[in-house]
Amino acid sequence: GQNIDQPTEMTATEGAIVQINCTYQTSGFNGLFWYQQHAGEAPTFLSYNVLDGLEEKGRFSSFLSRSKGYSYLLLKELQMKDSASYLCAGVYNFNKFYFGSGTKLNVKP
Amino acid sequence: EPEVTQTPSHQVTQMGQEVILRCVPISNHLYFYWYRQILGQKVEFLVSFYNNEISEKSEIFDDQFSVERPDGSNFTLKIRSTKLEDSAMYFCASAISGQQGEQYFGPGTRLTVT
Repeated sequence: GQNIDQPTEMTATEGAIVQINCTYQTSGFNGLFWYQQHAGEAPTFLSYNVLDGLEEKGRFSSFLSRSKGYSYLLLKELQMKDSASYLCAGVYNFNKFYFGSGTKLNVKP
Repeated sequence: EPEVTQTPSHQVTQMGQEVILRCVPISNHLYFYWYRQILGQKVEFLVSFYNNEISEKSEIFDDQFSVERPDGSNFTLKIRSTKLEDSAMYFCASAISGQQGEQYFGPGTRLTVT
């Protein structure tokens, strides 16, 4: 499978900004998803990037650099409910999906 | 709001038995997926399905696995002869469009093989 790498765990303070990085293999790559997964629940869609650049959606933004095999998810004005795992997932060969191991974000008061 | 549903929520089976996991995707979606997540590990893609056939499958999806869309609403995953290592949460997802489509995940079926 394709290697999708992201940090295992991060901690941030309520109200702050946090950036979760993801690197991926570029061969066969089509696009990149970010999902949020609360413990014991299903993943929920946050964003999809296929072109280079930043896409903003409310408090969440996602960035992609295809040439560098790099993406990040930016979360602003952190809230306690943002404590979850954030999954980076690459689409390859148009219909094959590879997930990273997820970054567990702990938001502290 | 429409949602993907899965049944059962928890299935316990003995090694070597066949299991069928059921999913009802969102009604106007055309692309369907199965994923699994072993406890504490990453989500793993199993298979994608479109136009009544498999579009892509992973290395995990061997001859023990099969998928079917027996009618206009259900999408099933069958594991022919379960092994201990098949114990995992199995998620079904559906999307209106393919690679770029926002995938909606069902709540999952926890499969425990004893």
